[in-house]
Amino acid sequence: GAGVSQTPSNKVTEKGKYVELRCDPISGHTALYWYRQSLGQGPEFLIYFQGTGAADDSGLPNDRFFAVRPEGSVSTLKIQRTERGDSAVYLCASSRDIGSYNEQFFGPGTRLTVL
Amino acid sequence: AQTVTQSQPEMSVQEAETVTLSCTYDTSESDYYLFWYKQPPSRQMILVIRQEAYKQQNATENRFSVNFQKAAKSFSLKISDSQLGDAAMYFCANRGSNYKLTFGKGTLLTVNP
Repeated sequence: GAGVSQTPSNKVTEKGKYVELRCDPISGHTALYWYRQSLGQGPEFLIYFQGTGAADDSGLPNDRFFAVRPEGSVSTLKIQRTERGDSAVYLCASSRDIGSYNEQFFGPGTRLTVL
Repeated sequence: AQTVTQSQPEMSVQEAETVTLSCTYDTSESDYYLFWYKQPPSRQMILVIRQEAYKQQNATENRFSVNFQKAAKSFSLKISDSQLGDAAMYFCANRGSNYKLTFGKGTLLTVNP
């Protein structure tokens, strides 16, 4: 596709449930980033991948959060035992490489609501 | 650690007028990049303009320009000839050697016809 896509657009779940959020980066982009945007805040970094490996997962808030990118393209953010505080917009971005000059292109995000 | 501060939660401007959005940042790195992103209600972050810290010349993209004051760690965005389509949340961001973006809390810009 022409841009970064994310599915689902919106996800409503109940406290304690497991959710998966998917990101399809721009074709050929080797770097992929996840950010979380809480209401009234700017996006906060969660994790980024260079190829298949997580190069930096220092932003993941706790061990309920996990992300994979098994083939170096699509990535899935997984949240176990969801809590109301996990409600936010989860943004994915990709760039051609991790080099400093490479622009990060963002997807439209997944709005997660935990009831 | 990097921090980005946007002190204006909301701003408004008349159509065709000029508005300036403020941003200050803090970083211990000497090589970094600064960005302004626009986020309309569709949620998609769109890059408006970028500035390399090593460049003294202020970046310009059509109606958008920045005032980069490195010593003061200030990076403001000027929008000239404001248009209705400029209405959105605007985020200032910093990226250093760790490649991840650090964002401010944003400024909501309203454009009045």
